[in-house]
Amino acid sequence: GNSVTQMEGPVTLSEEAFLTINCTYTATGYPSLFWYVQYPGEGLQLLLKATKADDKGSNKGFEATYRKETTSFHLEKGSVQVSDSAVYFCAILGGGADGLTFGKGTHLIIQP
Amino acid sequence: NAGVTQTPKFQVLKTGQSMTLQCAQDMNHEYMSWYRQDPGMGLRLIHYSVGAGITDQGEVPNGYNVSRSTTEDFPLRLLSAAPSQTSVYFCASCRDYPNEQFFGPGTRLTVL
Repeated sequence: GNSVTQMEGPVTLSEEAFLTINCTYTATGYPSLFWYVQYPGEGLQLLLKATKADDKGSNKGFEATYRKETTSFHLEKGSVQVSDSAVYFCAILGGGADGLTFGKGTHLIIQP
Repeated sequence: NAGVTQTPKFQVLKTGQSMTLQCAQDMNHEYMSWYRQDPGMGLRLIHYSVGAGITDQGEVPNGYNVSRSTTEDFPLRLLSAAPSQTSVYFCASCRDYPNEQFFGPGTRLTVL
């Protein structure tokens, strides 16, 4: 079946630091890839997505590129802000499974 | 549009009690699903529906029932609650599968 592996936190950075959260996946075929963000006490919001190889998803300064050869979808941001503190989930859709398959989530803490 | 709505926000049950978690969407989405979120586990698919009158099991269906009598509503029923069902439950929908899913705000359930 499908699986998603992402670095577990908490990850603590200073404001304006560079962020990378690694995500790799296992699936059959060509799944769609997503990053969701969950702010404290809230539901999940779609941050960005990519639906085919070499696509780059971007939103709010975050980027991730669909790398089929390495089955990866790493999340990056050049300069993080305190307001980026949240839990980030990598997820895949399709690839032989029903519904989204999520990673365990990465808790990101940005200190001023 | 209200998007995906869930009620209640919080619920405490005793072991053996039954209850229904409500989910509704006003986007005319065909696909709806239920996930549970547990610490360190990410989100896992419970049940899903590809349209009115059609439901199917996800990764962790035991102890839960669903029905889909209308496009808008997708209730999740716990027939006899157990402490292992203590979790945060999220409902999600999308226009059709596989596309990005929109999540509700969640229901935090505690079973004593």
